[in-house]
Amino acid sequence: QVQLLESGGGLVKPGGSLRLSCSASGFTFSDYYMSWIRQVPGKGLEWISYISPSDYSRYYTPSLKGRFTISRDNAQNLLFLEMNDLRPEDTAVYYCARQKRSFDYWGQGALVTVSS
Amino acid sequence: DIQMTQFPSSLSASVGDRVTITCQANRDVKKYLSWYQQKPGKAPKLLLSDASNLGAGVPSRFSGTGSGTNFTLTISSLQPDDIATYYCQQYDNIPRTFGRGTKVEIK
Repeated sequence: QVQLLESGGGLVKPGGSLRLSCSASGFTFSDYYMSWIRQVPGKGLEWISYISPSDYSRYYTPSLKGRFTISRDNAQNLLFLEMNDLRPEDTAVYYCARQKRSFDYWGQGALVTVSS
Repeated sequence: DIQMTQFPSSLSASVGDRVTITCQANRDVKKYLSWYQQKPGKAPKLLLSDASNLGAGVPSRFSGTGSGTNFTLTISSLQPDDIATYYCQQYDNIPRTFGRGTKVEIK
């Protein structure tokens, strides 16, 4: 069955960096677009970025472009989100999701807390 | 960005009631709209895509209609397991955008 498992979350100081990983299994990872989506605790959902299966085209929500970078390793079935210059307002649960136009499978989420 | 407006923001209904949630886009998104269900502490789950196509394993009491700018999600007979927050999301344009959610509670 399709499984997505995020890792790499934690506490980071403002201005710091963090790299999230998403390990995929149960499907042919290299066939799918993949996305990152975040949710501030108690708030709504915000799409961050998606990456294409093989040509590595990447799209970002404008407010985060430049600080966040999506990438993937199809050989290892891994999706990444590099986050730089983190701010307190980046505190959220970060989800990876498989994208078939809709987000049809989601990971369980990784909590990132930005605080001094 | 396409703005997605959901209403109501919350509702309380009895078991067995018919529940309708509305989502409006401020621009035409054709049929490219999904609905998700999120239970507390869990990741969202896809309910419907392309406005009306039921996701895998989703009970048939869930249905969706609409195109263009106006969409609805209907639960034909509310069940205790349906307590959750529901989000609409458009995928016609980048950035992908979500509604603010509708919290459904049992009366």
